[in-house]
Amino acid sequence: QITLKESGPTLVKPTQTLTLTCTFSGFSLTTSGVGVGWIRQPPGEALEWLTLIYWDGDRRYSPSLKNRLTITRDTSKNQVVLTMTNMDPADTGTYYCVHLPYADFSNWGQGTLVTVSS
Amino acid sequence: QSALTQPRSLSGSPGQSVTISCTGSSNDVGGYNYVSWYQQYPGKAPKVLIYEVTKRPSGVPDRFSGSKSANTASLTISGLQAEDEADYYCCSYAGSYSYVFGTGTKVTVL
Repeated sequence: QITLKESGPTLVKPTQTLTLTCTFSGFSLTTSGVGVGWIRQPPGEALEWLTLIYWDGDRRYSPSLKNRLTITRDTSKNQVVLTMTNMDPADTGTYYCVHLPYADFSNWGQGTLVTVSS
Repeated sequence: QSALTQPRSLSGSPGQSVTISCTGSSNDVGGYNYVSWYQQYPGKAPKVLIYEVTKRPSGVPDRFSGSKSANTASLTISGLQAEDEADYYCCSYAGSYSYVFGTGTKVTVL
């Protein structure tokens, strides 16, 4: 059974840096073709793909956010970490960790709501 | 990398069919056979319904089907049921190992 779970702060202040951790089980991030990434959803709005890290360590970012995002992995702990700098109230939303076994997001975490407010 | 365009809302009576369109460009939908569709209930994480344009994961009813023509992908729900009332999102591979989602469609069962 594949599971993913997001953890991190629920409230951050504007200009601060957000760090979210995804802890997963049931698959290996070193298996060829596999990726783990992040997708977010502002309240009442659409899903937005943010970033992916692949089995070979390759990292991909949304062009509109690439200057603010960093994704890293710890394969020994089965964890992927998202860092987003210079947070703004417009970044408020639910952040999902996702598993990409090949070319679709087959498995999702429950999501974590992050609010950006002073 | 612009969001794929979906109708904001659609509705249908039980038993009817509804088709949700997802329009992109030759850089995403039209360029690859990696379109997926997701169903999302309020307050819940999305769930994949269709992957690689037409394939259904095990457990997804065959009432859900996917197709693609040029730069537009479609999700058809046949024999609409009350439980199909949800938000639906398309997603396409956009090259260079990146992805783009659609704007989302709210389906209402009358």
